[in-house]
Parts: sequence; structure tokens; C-alpha cells
Amino acid sequence: DAKTTQPNSMESNEEEPVHLPCNHSTISGTDYIHWYRQLPSQGPEYVIHGLTSNVNNRMASLAIAEDRKSSTLILHRATLRDAAVYYCILMTSGAGSYQLTFGKGTKLSVIP
Amino acid sequence: DAMVIQNPRYQVTQFGKPVTLSCSQTLNHNVMYWYQQKSSQAPKLLFHYYDKDFNNEADTPDNFQSRRPNTSFCFLDIRSPGLGDAAMYLCATSLGLAGVADTQYFGPGTRLTVL
Repeated sequence: DAKTTQPNSMESNEEEPVHLPCNHSTISGTDYIHWYRQLPSQGPEYVIHGLTSNVNNRMASLAIAEDRKSSTLILHRATLRDAAVYYCILMTSGAGSYQLTFGKGTKLSVIP
Repeated sequence: DAMVIQNPRYQVTQFGKPVTLSCSQTLNHNVMYWYQQKSSQAPKLLFHYYDKDFNNEADTPDNFQSRRPNTSFCFLDIRSPGLGDAAMYLCATSLGLAGVADTQYFGPGTRLTVL
């Protein structure tokens, strides 16, 4: 079962920042927060992940709440190419397997 | 530069006719995964291999099987495809050494049509 809650859809204007929220109130201390995105007709693509501290990479930033019950993926300047479904996923260890359980995700539309 | 390759990209089969989808990787990763993604739904994990160890998800139908003859290749066999098996099948890999911080790399998928 997916343990994250995301809005079904969001819109952004091109070249503006986008903040994609994710709630994960049942997160445990060892769960990592991963974000993947899926562009139309493509396989999912890794975006970013983190545990407690905020993280930055060339694609995005991840802001994690102090209590870790929520996080926000930040795209600093949305482009048309960022239009995709964004999945927030908790990675939980158990029995040696590390599974991505995808929820419904947030469909991001970027308006030119 | 292709890292996870899936062939073919589109596959058409007939109801009940066995079909095999293939995946290869150039990343030398330990773990290979197969996901099923039906139209307008999220990907769902079917099974994965950690090296030669096979891990089946509890709700994966027996109709779906997998083989991993070597590190680079992994196959998804559907023994008797039904109309409900029409979907995008995604292969992914991960290094498998970072535990819950492991990152998965996905192929472009094979879209299966069952007539």
C-alpha cells in the first residue's frame, strides 16, 4: 500500500518555480523519501531522494519537514519538458528487498 | 548511452499465445525489476532479481514468470496472456548496495497488446 498522499494534479507557468507537496505521516525513522517522475510514454526517471536533511541536485531540490511527515519537491524553473507525473515514494527496507511502491502521483502541467 | 534497453518497444500477441519480453542493461547492476503499468495507473512491481535470487511479489499471477540467465539480461515470460495483461511492462535496475537509498533506472518500456 502506498503510504504517501499527493495532490492529483497541479499547474505551473513556464519558468516559474513549482512546489510539489507530499504527505507521509506514517513514515518510520529509516524510510527514505524518493521522488521519481514519468514523462508521457516513457519509463519513470529518478529525480531526488533524502532522509532528513534538505537535498539539492541538478534537477530539483527536496525540502523535508523537521518531523519528516511531509516533504516538498521544488523545481526551480519549470520548463515544458517538466510536464510529467511526479511520484513521491517511501523506500522501506524489509526482508532484503527494497521496493518502490508507486502511488497515484501528481500530474504536473506546465503552461507556456 | 542506453543503460536499460527493452525489446521490443511494442509487442502484439494473441490471447493465450506465450510471449517473452526482454531487458538488458549496461550498468552492471545487481538488481533487475519488472513492473506492470496499465493505462492511467501507476507502475506495479511484479518481481525482481537480486543477482540470481528471485523475489516474487505476493500478488503476481502465476501466469507471469521471469528468467535472468546472466547479469545483463532479464526476461519476462507471460505463459497465457489474457486481455487483462495488456499493459506497459517496465524493466528497471539498481546497484543494490545502498539499501533504502538505492536508485532505480528504468527502461523505456514495452507496450503489450493482446488481441
